[in-house]
Amino acid sequence: DTGVSQNPRHKITKRGQNVTFRCDPISEHNRLYWYRQTLGQGPEFLTYFQNEAQLEKSRLLSDRFSAERPKGSFSTLEIQRTEQGDSAMYLCASSSSTGGTEGYTFGSGTRLTVV
Amino acid sequence: GQNIDQPTEMTATEGAIVQINCTYQTSGFNGLFWYQQHAGEAPTFLSYNVLDGLEEKGRFSSFLSRSKGYSYLLLKELQMKDSASYLCAPNQAGTALIFGKGTTLSVSS
Repeated sequence: DTGVSQNPRHKITKRGQNVTFRCDPISEHNRLYWYRQTLGQGPEFLTYFQNEAQLEKSRLLSDRFSAERPKGSFSTLEIQRTEQGDSAMYLCASSSSTGGTEGYTFGSGTRLTVV
Repeated sequence: GQNIDQPTEMTATEGAIVQINCTYQTSGFNGLFWYQQHAGEAPTFLSYNVLDGLEEKGRFSSFLSRSKGYSYLLLKELQMKDSASYLCAPNQAGTALIFGKGTTLSVSS
């Protein structure tokens, strides 16, 4: 198993552009999570899926953000009309449905810079 | 909602012992995770406590008191590579993990 994979690793975009990130979870994991992290802060929860169903969304997830997991495998996170405040590390994690003692496995993240 | 409180920064020297505290308030408490995150890298799982008491895993131990809403991570025989951020995350039943802001530990020689 190659773990949780995120692409791209880095993205620089101009303000107002749309960006899309991809996350491939561990294949046996049916839960997938998106977090955002800025410098000096812990990861902030954005949304999570169980299989293809989006079960929870944070208030941080404004209407410019949308996430999908169409076949219950990989997921995409899209940010429309990016703003400078969207600059952050976007982390994806996956877990089994119980989460349990194994916790979450995180990917290496996508670092977004909005200029 | 949840409230999670941990110190922002700590410093220590190689070979020393350091204790990183975390206090939390959460409903539907279902255990507590500690994660380690090196600068620029993903968080990695360290420990998970469900029951009260101390769980030891090599140089790292984690303690939980459910009644007090309190946990700590104990790091012994500190090494330079232990310089990282340590994240406390109480597990609330039925929802995704919410993380504290993290404690940045700097280990010097």
